[in-house]
Amino acid sequence: AQSVTQLGSHVSVSEGALVLLRCNYSSSVPPYLFWYVQYPNQGLQLLLKYTSAATLVKGINDFEAEFKKSETSFHLTKPSAHMSDAAEYFCAVSDGTGGYNKLIFGAGTRLAVHP
Amino acid sequence: NAGVTQTPKFRVLKTGQSMTLLCAQDMNHEYMYWYRQDPGMGLRLIHYSVGEGTTAKGEVPDGYNVSRLKKQNFLLGLESAAPSQTSVYFCASTALAKNIQYFGAGTRLSVL
Repeated sequence: AQSVTQLGSHVSVSEGALVLLRCNYSSSVPPYLFWYVQYPNQGLQLLLKYTSAATLVKGINDFEAEFKKSETSFHLTKPSAHMSDAAEYFCAVSDGTGGYNKLIFGAGTRLAVHP
Repeated sequence: NAGVTQTPKFRVLKTGQSMTLLCAQDMNHEYMYWYRQDPGMGLRLIHYSVGEGTTAKGEVPDGYNVSRLKKQNFLLGLESAAPSQTSVYFCASTALAKNIQYFGAGTRLSVL
């Protein structure tokens, strides 16, 4: 069975500081991995995805994530936080089309950005 | 460019009442999903559909029913609402050969 663990339900950074949101996964098959962002009172938007191509994945708004098979991790980073990055972030894993693209989500990490 | 549209956006029910949540997508996607979001638990899959006329159970299907009579619509029904079903419900869809799910804006449901 697949599962996702996000370390830290709340992360707080200063504007301009590095953002690091941690995600570890468990999967019996080569995983597809995703990061989604949810702004207040909105649906989820895709930030980036890993589907077995390059291990360093770049997404929107200067976010990126690195797939590390040996560590079963897919941590999300951004070099310099902006106030507009304040949101909840979800890591998710999928079997891909073999599993009908069903997603298993982590519990989420709420990012706060302070001036 | 509507994408995935959910109606209603908000609803308050009394225990035992029934209701149907509607999800409509205009992207001709084959797969559709219903999730519920609860604090500290992320999103959990309720039911999903891989095509018109087909549905399957997800992780937390009890107390819900679904139907997909048309490819573009996926309905989620609560026959007898319970306070434990107070949640935010999200619909999503994806194309057959793609891996990205597109989400609606959500329905906030309170059951008193």
